[in-house]
Amino acid sequence: DIVMTQSPDSLTVSLGERATINCKSSQSVLYSSNNKNYLAWHQQKPGQPPKLLIYWASTRESGVPDRFSGSGSGTDFTLTISSLQAEDVAVYYCQQYYSSPKTFGQGTKLEIK
Amino acid sequence: QVQLQESGPGLVKPSETLSLTCTVSGGSISSDYWGWIRQPPGKGLEWIGHIYYSGITNYNPSLKSRVTISVDTSKNQFSLKLTSVTAADTAVYYCARVGGGGYEDQWGQGTLVTVSS
Repeated sequence: DIVMTQSPDSLTVSLGERATINCKSSQSVLYSSNNKNYLAWHQQKPGQPPKLLIYWASTRESGVPDRFSGSGSGTDFTLTISSLQAEDVAVYYCQQYYSSPKTFGQGTKLEIK
Repeated sequence: QVQLQESGPGLVKPSETLSLTCTVSGGSISSDYWGWIRQPPGKGLEWIGHIYYSGITNYNPSLKSRVTISVDTSKNQFSLKLTSVTAADTAVYYCARVGGGGYEDQWGQGTLVTVSS
């Protein structure tokens, strides 16, 4: 199985500041034949189901604010929130869908300072 | 916009079978893949498996011996069965649509299943 490791486990950021969450996979999730990274980011607010934010490592899902961006390739990925809003308080999960079984990172809890 | 809703018993006895159904509305189940993911209380997400509308399945090897996912296109539903449950199977169970290259792009609200006598 591909192990997904996120850092940090928790993060406290002031409103309007930048938040950065890292995700590392135990093997590459870049498929060479199409040059796509099989990496998604999901946001889970308290008491709610997860919500897809980003797929193919950097493509924002429809309706997701542009303050959310994804970057990285191969084994190292980053989710960046450019200007933190109160409604961004959540746990964020990276997920690889490169190979079965699909696996998630342990989650990063984002709070407001 | 496709919507998904899980249904089934919230309490299952140890050694019995957990059975859940996901009803899809706002779209046809006869396309895409459909999956199940679970989340133990206070913990992270675990992929259980998915099914194509034609019936082709793919399961997490860690659960494969106990899991069956099936689809009923006439009812626009798909289902999860997990046999021989223990307390470790206590979790919120989510159904989801699998879009594009394999990521979950629509999630149900989730249903808590507790395994206890």
